[in-house]
Amino acid sequence: GAGVSQSPSNKVTEKGKDVELRCDPISGHTALYWYRQSLGQGLEFLIYFQGNSAPDKSGLPSDRFSAERTGGSVSTLTIQRTQQEDSAVYLCASSLVSVGNTIYFGEGSWLTVV
Amino acid sequence: GNSVTQMEGPVTLSEEAFLTINCTYTATGYPSLFWYVQYPGEGLQLLLKATKADDKGSNKGFEATYRKETTSFHLEKGSVQVSDSAVYFCALLLTGGGNKLTFGTGTQLKVEL
Repeated sequence: GAGVSQSPSNKVTEKGKDVELRCDPISGHTALYWYRQSLGQGLEFLIYFQGNSAPDKSGLPSDRFSAERTGGSVSTLTIQRTQQEDSAVYLCASSLVSVGNTIYFGEGSWLTVV
Repeated sequence: GNSVTQMEGPVTLSEEAFLTINCTYTATGYPSLFWYVQYPGEGLQLLLKATKADDKGSNKGFEATYRKETTSFHLEKGSVQVSDSAVYFCALLLTGGGNKLTFGTGTQLKVEL
């Protein structure tokens, strides 16, 4: 597609439920990133994929968070047993493989845990 | 560690005023520097970038110069418009650190008529 596509754009879930957020990167971009944007925390890095492997998952806040990428394209971020503090905008981004290339962001998935 | 510090907002200006949003960084190497902008209801967009000392990034009338001696990358615009109202994020990226952007906390700009 023309840009990074994320779904759902908005999600309201009950505390304790699992959620899956999907990211479809720009075609041909082998690098994919997940960030979280929340009030008071700014933009936090979560995980980085190069192809299907994740060389840096240092930003995942707990073991309730996981992500996978298949076929070097679509990625899914899963949050298990959601908590209210997980409420945030989850941003996906992608770039070409070389370090220093511009990173393009999607519009985000707004997650609200009630 | 690596970090980016931005001036706190919100910054409120009248249309055609001069804009400066300060950004300083701390990094263990020689980063590339970026300004991203987030318009209301939209995702992050790259505004401009600079990859080495003394480079000037520019776009849409905005400019920022990579100052290694002061570890700064201040964003400037000579005459702001109402349509510039957005949140502006300064960020750095270090080669050898994956391709991971480290962001500042963002500065909200409101431009009024």
